Amino acid sequence: DAGITQSPRHKVTETGTPVTLRCHQTENHRYMYWYRQDPGHGLRLIHYSYGVKDTDKGEVSDGYSVSRSKTEDFLLTLESATSSQTSVYFCAISRRTGEPQETQYFGPGTRLLVL
Amino acid sequence: GIQVEQSPPDLILQEGANSTLRCNFSDSVNNLQWFHQNPWGQLINLFYIPSGTKQNGRLSATTVATERYSLLYISSSQTTDSGVYFCAATNDYKLSFGAGTTVTVRA
Repeated sequence: DAGITQSPRHKVTETGTPVTLRCHQTENHRYMYWYRQDPGHGLRLIHYSYGVKDTDKGEVSDGYSVSRSKTEDFLLTLESATSSQTSVYFCAISRRTGEPQETQYFGPGTRLLVL
Repeated sequence: GIQVEQSPPDLILQEGANSTLRCNFSDSVNNLQWFHQNPWGQLINLFYIPSGTKQNGRLSATTVATERYSLLYISSSQTTDSGVYFCAATNDYKLSFGAGTTVTVRA
């Protein structure tokens, strides 16, 4: 199994507060992703990273920012949390095999409730 | 991005039954994956299969890239097969997920 951890695993916060979620990997993989999962939508990509300090937007990036200062850590920040950001957040990584199209492995998820 | 549609949305099986899940995608792909989300929420990669056929135990998958669909076969289903099965596809780095097929296997 890929060594991916997410913290916190559960969080309750209030509207308007900033929230940071952390994804940590022990595999030294180049690609890291943040998704959100909501009923009826499957998973939707928020942001992804293709290297240290290299990030790009996904499908639903509004209201979110990311940072990657080290290979092993990818942070997702909700700048001012809203109730619509209540969701389950998953981090994923891709193993390097010399090709950009690769299997993705997921972390355990973070359940976020914004009141 | 690529549109991914899965069918059926729900599937109820008796233990021991076989089933087929379908994934249609809207454009050519260079990456297609099947995932299983167990009742505890963990997402497990089942297959990386942009084309061709693969088998892993009681599960197998076939992707016909020229016709833009993929099939996941579950044979001799067990209660541990319950959960949501997702198909995801892309022609760049950004996977697009279908809405999933919820499978319930009854003992």
